[in-house]
Amino acid sequence: AQTVTQSQPEMSVQEAETVTLSCTYDTSESDYYLFWYKQPPSRQMILVIRQEAYKQQNATENRFSVNFQKAAKSFSLKISDSQLGDAAMYFCAYRSADNNDMRFGAGTRLTVKP
Amino acid sequence: DTGVSQDPRHKITKRGQNVTFRCDPISEHNRLYWYRQTLGQGPEFLTYFQNEAQLEKSRLLSDRFSAERPKGSFSTLEIQRTEQGDSAMYLCASSLAVGANTYTQYFGPGTRLTVL
Repeated sequence: AQTVTQSQPEMSVQEAETVTLSCTYDTSESDYYLFWYKQPPSRQMILVIRQEAYKQQNATENRFSVNFQKAAKSFSLKISDSQLGDAAMYFCAYRSADNNDMRFGAGTRLTVKP
Repeated sequence: DTGVSQDPRHKITKRGQNVTFRCDPISEHNRLYWYRQTLGQGPEFLTYFQNEAQLEKSRLLSDRFSAERPKGSFSTLEIQRTEQGDSAMYLCASSLAVGANTYTQYFGPGTRLTVL
């Protein structure tokens, strides 16, 4: 079964600085999707960025980018120019191309210091 | 329609009572998913529908849980004879599936269930 591991329960970053959140996953499949979702306190989960495993190019969405290392099964999220509004729980998620069972990591709580 | 909505947002019940939650997906989305999220953990998949058909159920979905999507639009999740271990956030998500492609899941705000 696929598993997703986020080894950093908590991370902290100074406003305007850069932070990287780690995620590793375990799978025997070659075709899958990876996601980073953001869950602000008491608010709903929002998609931050998505990566298709067949694409070698790392996905980028404004200040958010990923470092996708397929062979190492690693999918880290880099947040540049951190803003106070980035403070939230961040979840890494895996979904096989063949089914709809999305697996989530345990999350990383990001604090942004002014 | 600006997103996935869920009702109620909070529910407190006594052990042994039945509860029902509702999810309204994004209107053009044909897939609807239910997840459970306990404190300090990521969401865990429970079940999903394509239109009105329930296509997959997790082993987490015990026989006390039942989900429906009768007209392929909104869905309900019922928990019978609630137990304290059922206390969690219940999240709904929806997505669009076209042919072999399934697009991103968008989440609702969740229903927080507390079983006393």
